[in-house]
Amino acid sequence: AQRVTQPEKLLSVFKGAPVELKCNYSYSGSPELFWYVQYSRQRLQLLLRHISRESIKGFTADLNKGETSFHLKKPFAQEEDSAMYYCALSRHGNKLVFGAGTILRVKS
Amino acid sequence: DAGVIQSPRHEVTEMGQEVTLRCKPISGHDYLFWYRQTMMRGLELLIYFNNNVPIDDSGMPEDRFSAKMPNASFSTLKIQPSEPRDSAVYFCASSEGSGNTIYFGEGSWLTVV
Repeated sequence: AQRVTQPEKLLSVFKGAPVELKCNYSYSGSPELFWYVQYSRQRLQLLLRHISRESIKGFTADLNKGETSFHLKKPFAQEEDSAMYYCALSRHGNKLVFGAGTILRVKS
Repeated sequence: DAGVIQSPRHEVTEMGQEVTLRCKPISGHDYLFWYRQTMMRGLELLIYFNNNVPIDDSGMPEDRFSAKMPNASFSTLKIQPSEPRDSAVYFCASSEGSGNTIYFGEGSWLTVV
C-alpha cells in the first residue's frame, strides 16, 4: 500500500536554527514526491516537488530511494516559515496521498 | 485566474440537515479533487474526477456523501444527512493533465452541531 509517514506532529525550533521535517514513504513503483505548505487559515500551496530539484524559500528536499525518504530541510529557520507542512506522494501521476502533516513553529 | 473557488467559506448547520459545498476549478483544468481535512485524520482524498467523470470515489466515507461534476467548471459535494463527525475543512483542488501541480481552493469550513 502507498503510504506517507511524517513522524513529528510538531517541530519547534528557534529562529536561525536548522530545520528538518521528516517524511518517509512506502510505494512499490517510482514515486513522485511533493511538499505542500499551509499557512494559518490559508489554502495549501505547493512548496516543491522532487523532480524539479529546486529550492523554494530556502527549502530543499532530496529523494532518497534507499531510505525511502524525502525530508524537507532549511539551514536557517525564519519566523514566517511557521506553518503546517505536508509531504505527499503522487500515484499514477494525478492522485496525491498526504502524510499527517507537521506543524513547524519558529520561535524568536 | 482567481484560482480554485469554493463556497461557502464557512457553514454551520444542524445535524440532519443537507449540506452542499461548491467548487469552481481553474479554467482549463481537467482533474478535480475533493479532500477533507480533520485534526484526527489529516488530509483525505474523498473523490476525484477527470473530464467531469468520477474516477475514484473510494475515499467517500459513506452513502451520505455524494459528489457531482455536471460540467467542466462546477462541482458539488453533498452531505445528506449531516452529522457532527462530518465537521471538517473540505478542500477542492484541480490540475491540468496527469502528473502536474494540483492547486487547492481555500476550503469550506463545515461545522455540524
